[in-house]
Amino acid sequence: TQLLEQSPQFLSIQEGENLTVYCNSSSVFSSLQWYRQEPGEGPVLLVTVVTGGEVKKLKRLTFQFGDARKDSSLHITAAQPGDTGLYLCAGSQGAQKLVFGQGTRLTINP
Amino acid sequence: NAGVMQNPRHLVRRRGQEARLRCSPMKGHSHVYWYRQLPEEGLKFMVYLQKENIIDESGMPKERFSAEFPKEGPSILRIQQVVRGDSAAYFCASSPGPGYEQYFGPGTRLTVT
Repeated sequence: TQLLEQSPQFLSIQEGENLTVYCNSSSVFSSLQWYRQEPGEGPVLLVTVVTGGEVKKLKRLTFQFGDARKDSSLHITAAQPGDTGLYLCAGSQGAQKLVFGQGTRLTINP
Repeated sequence: NAGVMQNPRHLVRRRGQEARLRCSPMKGHSHVYWYRQLPEEGLKFMVYLQKENIIDESGMPKERFSAEFPKEGPSILRIQQVVRGDSAAYFCASSPGPGYEQYFGPGTRLTVT
């Protein structure tokens, strides 16, 4: 069974600080997605990384895929209260199911 | 709204009743995936379907759960004789084909009393 471990599970920081969320596995994934989920809603896709070592930026969010395609990180610069939410990483092996991490619940305090 | 649609958004069932959850994929998408999310947990894969075919049901409980995606109409996840442990959020995702990104619906929150 492939597992994705996210850390930390909970993170509460002040507005303006930087943070990094990690997603690690012993399995190789063909691609890895990051989703954000608001309470009572479904996950919303933020980014997909495919190539080992790939870095993608989405405004203040930077996503990196490990060289061996087993791990990924999400870095947020100058966090804002609007960044509060549940962040989920999900790995794909080929065509079918996504394997999700347990999520990082992020709270940004004004 | 061209997104994935799920209904109902909330469903309450007594133990022993049946629950039917519906999912309409995004326009142009013919692949549907069902996931379950227990409180304070990540999503767990249940089943992957194409039109009229179940491709992978490795995450489905062996009993009481079934899924279909007919030629016409939405995909249906059916839970017979529900128990309290079935209480969860059930999410449907769709993609245009295998290996493409999956886009999620808003989910159905099932509560079994």
